[in-house]
Amino acid sequence: DSGVTQTPKHLITATGQRVTLRCSPRSGDLSVYWYQQSLDQGLQFLIQYYNGEERAKGNILERFSAQQFPDLHSELNLSSLELGDSALYFCASSGGGYGQPQHFGDGTRLSIL
Amino acid sequence: QKEVEQDPGPLSVPEGAIVSLNCTYSNSAFQYFMWYRQYSRKGPELLMYTYSSGNKEDGRFTAQVDKSSKYISLFIRDSQPSDSATYLCAMGQGGSGNTGKLIFGQGTTLQVKP
Repeated sequence: DSGVTQTPKHLITATGQRVTLRCSPRSGDLSVYWYQQSLDQGLQFLIQYYNGEERAKGNILERFSAQQFPDLHSELNLSSLELGDSALYFCASSGGGYGQPQHFGDGTRLSIL
Repeated sequence: QKEVEQDPGPLSVPEGAIVSLNCTYSNSAFQYFMWYRQYSRKGPELLMYTYSSGNKEDGRFTAQVDKSSKYISLFIRDSQPSDSATYLCAMGQGGSGNTGKLIFGQGTTLQVKP
């Protein structure tokens, strides 16, 4: 058990809808990272938050947004969903910024019908 | 060309074999290197973490980093059926101002046959 909790485990929804994925980091970790894993692209970095502030952005679509709350949990919001958004979404946490090992949750599997 | 290249396999070995997994990379700014193991329907699990060049050993696992060749390896000794999983290499840049963003290889699927 990595200590990173993600909910829900599985989401099934339709195109055009909006969903929210939730992540609770390991106790004491200030950084939260979101990654997308698909068969063709592998694990891709989306966005990082550190102690409530956005720290870095990767290839995150404009339809996607995230935030980190004062209790350090994070939410990833995906809107106007398309079939191609079907993927595994992982959250990871670490103590701080660069150089810290990241620990992953078990992900949310998003299926768009 | 991808920043990190990893042979996707699949790699099939008999139980007890020594397994060698490798990644090459192109970005010389990478300073820290990790290996993750991912079982089906689970998240990546951190196996090894190495900063800069050198070797690191943990039980049956040894990680090697050769920054001059931009090449990293993970060796698994006395492989077990429970080692059957996908192995992902990951790396990140160091230096102040950088984030903890990791770049991952595509992953190598390993099967250890009893």
